[in-house]
Amino acid sequence: NAGVTQTPKFRVLKTGQSMTLLCAQDMNHEYMYWYRQDPGMGLRLIHYSVGEGTTAKGEVPDGYNVSRLKKQNFLLGLESAAPSQTSVYFCASILGLAGARYNEQFFGPGTRLTVL
Amino acid sequence: GQQLNQSPQSMFIQEGEDVSMNCTSSSIFNTWLWYKQDPGEGPVLLIALYKAGELTSNGRLTAQFGITRKDSFLNISASIPSDVGIYFCAGRLDTDDKIIFGKGTRLHILP
Repeated sequence: NAGVTQTPKFRVLKTGQSMTLLCAQDMNHEYMYWYRQDPGMGLRLIHYSVGEGTTAKGEVPDGYNVSRLKKQNFLLGLESAAPSQTSVYFCASILGLAGARYNEQFFGPGTRLTVL
Repeated sequence: GQQLNQSPQSMFIQEGEDVSMNCTSSSIFNTWLWYKQDPGEGPVLLIALYKAGELTSNGRLTAQFGITRKDSFLNISASIPSDVGIYFCAGRLDTDDKIIFGKGTRLHILP
């Protein structure tokens, strides 16, 4: 049971390049979340998903797209990277269904992205 | 948009002292979560609260879900050096499925 994993751990992009960050969880969780963390800003929600095939916007969705084709995977895409997207990106998941511990959110180790 | 106001932003305390931090919002939450983050790591869940008024402990940590459902606090008793880090509150909004975070409280412990 690996929990939540993220790929890659580090990446450097040039302005205008595209990339996809992969989040995978093996806990059969329904809900998945993408956050970015910048110094002094805490974690800000980019997009989230409440189930396979669904996505929704969070607090800072501009410049990002997401897809949840499989329940265990949640992809975050940057179509045209900008320096303002330099950040640490965290993925998280919760069971999401009513019951014990359904809102306990588990995080991946993060992806550190630099856009030059 | 919805916001969580977490305070204090940072704390400098002596080892052995008790610590208290809180989060407030104008929005109503159905869940409050408290996390600790160490450098270079993802946040780790400390305590989850699901009911208004709920008081839950995890070792030296105690957290409460406010009666109004708009606030929560975390206390750490008898602090030790490994308590150093950033503590975040987070809440799941009653109106949708977003889980949003406060900006964190950075805890420093003086020898």
